[in-house]
Amino acid sequence: GESVGLHLPTLSVQEGDNSIINCAYSNSASDYFIWYKQESGKGPQFIIDIRSNMDKRQGQRVTVLLNKTVKHLSLQIAATQPGDSAVYFCAEIPVNNNDMRFGAGTRLTVKP
Amino acid sequence: DGGITQSPKYLFRKEGQNVTLSCEQNLNHDAMYWYRQDPGQGLRLIYYSQIVNDFQKGDIAEGYSVSREKKESFPLTVTSAQKNPTAFYLCASTRGAGANVLTFGAGSRLTVL
Repeated sequence: GESVGLHLPTLSVQEGDNSIINCAYSNSASDYFIWYKQESGKGPQFIIDIRSNMDKRQGQRVTVLLNKTVKHLSLQIAATQPGDSAVYFCAEIPVNNNDMRFGAGTRLTVKP
Repeated sequence: DGGITQSPKYLFRKEGQNVTLSCEQNLNHDAMYWYRQDPGQGLRLIYYSQIVNDFQKGDIAEGYSVSREKKESFPLTVTSAQKNPTAFYLCASTRGAGANVLTFGAGSRLTVL
């Protein structure tokens, strides 16, 4: 989930297991949400997005769930692989606003 | 392949020196952004530009300056006025205002000695 401070939340999973990474967003007016993956020393990469008129969206091995009632977003990764090890963070964008806000991220470690 | 190129990847600076980080994109994107990333924190917006010869301050613009003389280029200068410049700097771009998915560069790590 979200974190303020120097230490990222961490999630350690066994290769082949499913991973669930959570994000609590702050703005009830946020209309659009994006999950990014950032490997060590690299720039973030887009994984999947979802609009507020949806509660679920699936990609290849990834699913994003949106619960607007509690302002919660989750990223599910199926059959996690070592290459999935990275920091994952969410971004929220309010309606009619380019003011994108980013969560601090969660560090996912996949054990072989 | 289209993308964003940031340079240098690593940069060391003495206190009191200005440094300029380069960001070049060949995606034909109109909007470009600079973010700062610190451990345990979300990305924070320094400056952004939605069109050539125009740019706007972000949340933490103090101690930084930018220029946008060409569509492809958006260099960031970290000035001596920035009191805590050691960080990972990310440049990003989008097609334009309202196009929300950012394409990021690989980042530049600045360390002040």
